Amino acid sequence: NAGVTQTPKFQVLKTGQSMTLQCAQDMNHEYMSWYRQDPGMGLRLIHYSVGAGITDQGEVPNGYNVSRSTTEDFPLRLLSAAPSQTSVYFCASRDTTLYEQYFGPGTRLTVT
Amino acid sequence: GQNIDQPTEMTATEGAIVQINCTYQTSGFNGLFWYQQHAGEAPTFLSYNVLDGLEEKGRFSSFLSRSKGYSYLLLKELQMKDSASYLCAVIGYNTNAGKSTFGDGTTLTVKP
Repeated sequence: NAGVTQTPKFQVLKTGQSMTLQCAQDMNHEYMSWYRQDPGMGLRLIHYSVGAGITDQGEVPNGYNVSRSTTEDFPLRLLSAAPSQTSVYFCASRDTTLYEQYFGPGTRLTVT
Repeated sequence: GQNIDQPTEMTATEGAIVQINCTYQTSGFNGLFWYQQHAGEAPTFLSYNVLDGLEEKGRFSSFLSRSKGYSYLLLKELQMKDSASYLCAVIGYNTNAGKSTFGDGTTLTVKP
């Protein structure tokens, strides 16, 4: 049981490049979320999903896309990277009946 | 919408008790949560309150008053390893059940 896994751990992009951050969970959780955390700040919700085929926007969705084709995977796509997207990105999942969220180890992204 | 406020920083002495407060303004929520985050790591779940009152888990307790829009996390018998950021979060209800909103976190420094 690996919990929530994220790849890559570190990434450097140039402005304008696109990429996909991967997230997978093996706990059969319906709810999954993507957050970004800037230095000294809390977590801000980018997008979330309540099940396969269902996604919705969080507080800061601009510049990001998501899809949820399976229960296990919830990739986050950066369409055209900007320096303002330099941050640490966390993926999380939870069961529908329990409130505890399980977080992945994070992806540290730098956009130059 | 949801607005969550926490003190930015707190300092306490090893072996002492510290209370970290969280106030919120929200249109409704299922529960209020506390997470611990050590520097460079992912958040880990500490406790949650769905109903008003005190929830105790070992050295950690959390309290919720919905009528006052107020919660606190109480840490007893402080240890050096408790130096971390503590995040308060609320989880939505009904159509927002998949959505969590976090405060900016309180950085606790435990001194010998």
